[in-house]
Amino acid sequence: AQSVAQPEDQVNVAEGNPLTVKCTYSVSGNPYLFWYVQYPNRGLQFLLKYITGDNLVKGSYGFEAEFNKSQTSFHLKKPSALVSDSALYFCAVRDPRRTGANNLFFGTGTRLTVIP
Amino acid sequence: DSGVTQTPKHLITATGQRVTLRCSPRSGDLSVYWYQQSLDQGLQFLIQYYNGEERAKGNILERFSAQQFPDLHSELNLSSLELGDSALYFCASSVSGRTGELFFGEGSRLTVL
Repeated sequence: AQSVAQPEDQVNVAEGNPLTVKCTYSVSGNPYLFWYVQYPNRGLQFLLKYITGDNLVKGSYGFEAEFNKSQTSFHLKKPSALVSDSALYFCAVRDPRRTGANNLFFGTGTRLTVIP
Repeated sequence: DSGVTQTPKHLITATGQRVTLRCSPRSGDLSVYWYQQSLDQGLQFLIQYYNGEERAKGNILERFSAQQFPDLHSELNLSSLELGDSALYFCASSVSGRTGELFFGEGSRLTVL
């Protein structure tokens, strides 16, 4: 079965501190991995993706994510959190051997709150 | 701005009624996706169209249907509405159906009373 897990419903971090939002996946083969962010009353916005290559992927707004194949993880990170980073973050995984959106799986989301 | 336009932004209706949600994808995107977001079930994939044809189907109820028109806009029809259908309905688009980088609209919030 293909799935993605975000083990934390809520993450709180102080402004200026580093942040990590966790994501693990289970998919056979080499996955495509994504992070999206949803601000209040908005749609999801693409942040970054891992397809192949360097395990450290840099994305929008200073975010980055590290692909770890042995741990089947794709954690989202930022060195210094901003209050404006407070939002709902979704991890997603796709098996590239299969087409169709029913093979793009979203996690349940992690609400990040950055405390001033 | 993602370039994906959804209308209406808000909709309040009664149980048993039928509504239509509309989506215009980004210019050049051939693939349209519909998702439902509710508090208790997260983001649920409903259906995908590619260049006018159904490409993939997810957890879409039989009371719901969708189509993609020749100009690539899409409509999601929800009928015999129930209280549990209250949710945010998102449309997303992409150039193809392969990568997973989707561009989401801002959603249509449906409230069924």
